[in-house]
Amino acid sequence: EAQVTQNPRYLITVTGKKLTVTCSQNMNHEYMSWYRQDPGLGLRQIYYSMNVEVTDKGDVPEGYKVSRKEKRNFPLILESPSPNQTSLYFCASSLLGATDTQYFGPGTRLTVL
Amino acid sequence: RKEVEQDPGPFNVPEGATVAFNCTYSNSASQSFFWYRQDCRKEPKLLMSVYSSGNEDGRFTAQLNRASQYISLLIRDSKLSDSATYLCVVSANFGNEKLTFGTGTRLTIIP
Repeated sequence: EAQVTQNPRYLITVTGKKLTVTCSQNMNHEYMSWYRQDPGLGLRQIYYSMNVEVTDKGDVPEGYKVSRKEKRNFPLILESPSPNQTSLYFCASSLLGATDTQYFGPGTRLTVL
Repeated sequence: RKEVEQDPGPFNVPEGATVAFNCTYSNSASQSFFWYRQDCRKEPKLLMSVYSSGNEDGRFTAQLNRASQYISLLIRDSKLSDSATYLCVVSANFGNEKLTFGTGTRLTIIP
């Protein structure tokens, strides 16, 4: 089944404890991206990647890192999480880029205490 | 001014009615436009792309007005299953692969 998977789906952590949210797609998509969704602010793009080893900042990259070492995986890293990073996170992928249909993962609900 | 603006609603509409949403965007060089649908606590899914000439998919019609910088979504003969949040999405210039989402318009269809 063609899909985007994210893990974990739910995470409660404490300030400053490094964490990684994984994202994987099995559709051989070139483009992958991360978003956070907050009430009243909608979905905001954190980082995106056009291909392996190519990543670019979205609208809200501060406090986040990403890597794209393999085409299928695009992990989101929070080196030192803070409470303002409490949010619902979505990973998405598309065949070629921003103008293609975006396929979203099921979301990761992160709470930073 | 926000890059992409939508009326958050909620829109409470009786079943069978026609409902329309607008979305305005600020970057006149924007190239691609989409409507996504998001059910409560679920991931967004593409509803339809919006083409310059307008396009229709069953009960759904999308229009683009470049001069006034807005896109619209019309839903005819609304069904209970249409209840969701509708997200307007804009892609910037060619060569810039950033996507900007509106905050969404919440629609509830009432039996």
